[in-house]
Amino acid sequence: NAGVTQTPKFRVLKTGQSMTLLCAQDMNHEYMYWYRQDPGMGLRLIHYSVGEGTTAKGEVPDGYNVSRLKKQNFLLGLESAAPSQTSVYFCASRDPRGPGELFFGEGSRLTVL
Amino acid sequence: AQSVSQHNHHVILSEAASLELGCNYSYGGTVNLFWYVQYPGQHLQLLLKYFSGDPLVKGIKGFEAEFIKSKFSFNLRKPSVQWSDTAEYFCAVSTGGFKTIFGAGTRLFVKA
Repeated sequence: NAGVTQTPKFRVLKTGQSMTLLCAQDMNHEYMYWYRQDPGMGLRLIHYSVGEGTTAKGEVPDGYNVSRLKKQNFLLGLESAAPSQTSVYFCASRDPRGPGELFFGEGSRLTVL
Repeated sequence: AQSVSQHNHHVILSEAASLELGCNYSYGGTVNLFWYVQYPGQHLQLLLKYFSGDPLVKGIKGFEAEFIKSKFSFNLRKPSVQWSDTAEYFCAVSTGGFKTIFGAGTRLFVKA
């Protein structure tokens, strides 16, 4: 049972480089989310998607882009990485018919030098 | 704007001590409430949830939480903690829309 899978798990970037984080879920969930986790700040929502082909901004969307070309995948892109984007990124998915339980991936630790 | 406040950022307890972690939210409508736990080096997983019915809900590993609507609170409790409960605990609120809002988290360290 894979659930929610994130790749890569670790990445180090230099300022200005670009990268994409991939999230894949096999639970047929409509909703998918990208959060970032920083010490003392909990999880903050970056972007989310309520279905294939749709995306929306969360609390902290600046510097990130997303795409949901297939229902099972949700990509998070950094076009020009900055040190402020050093964080742990979590992808989550949710069945909209339920009470709102989120299913999380294992996280991707990104360091921007 | 909706928000979730967790009262304690760090808690240190000895094994067998009782635990209560506070959580308050700001939203006047119907809410679904959650506690998630993140063990060291792992992803978040659901500890318990409330969406209707009995305001006292029981979760995994002996945890429980009480929803007090008049106080906008959803405090987490455990009568006797174990060393293996060392983790970070997050309170979260879903208001029936698309988003789930998280508190800042409480880091619990249990001394063996």
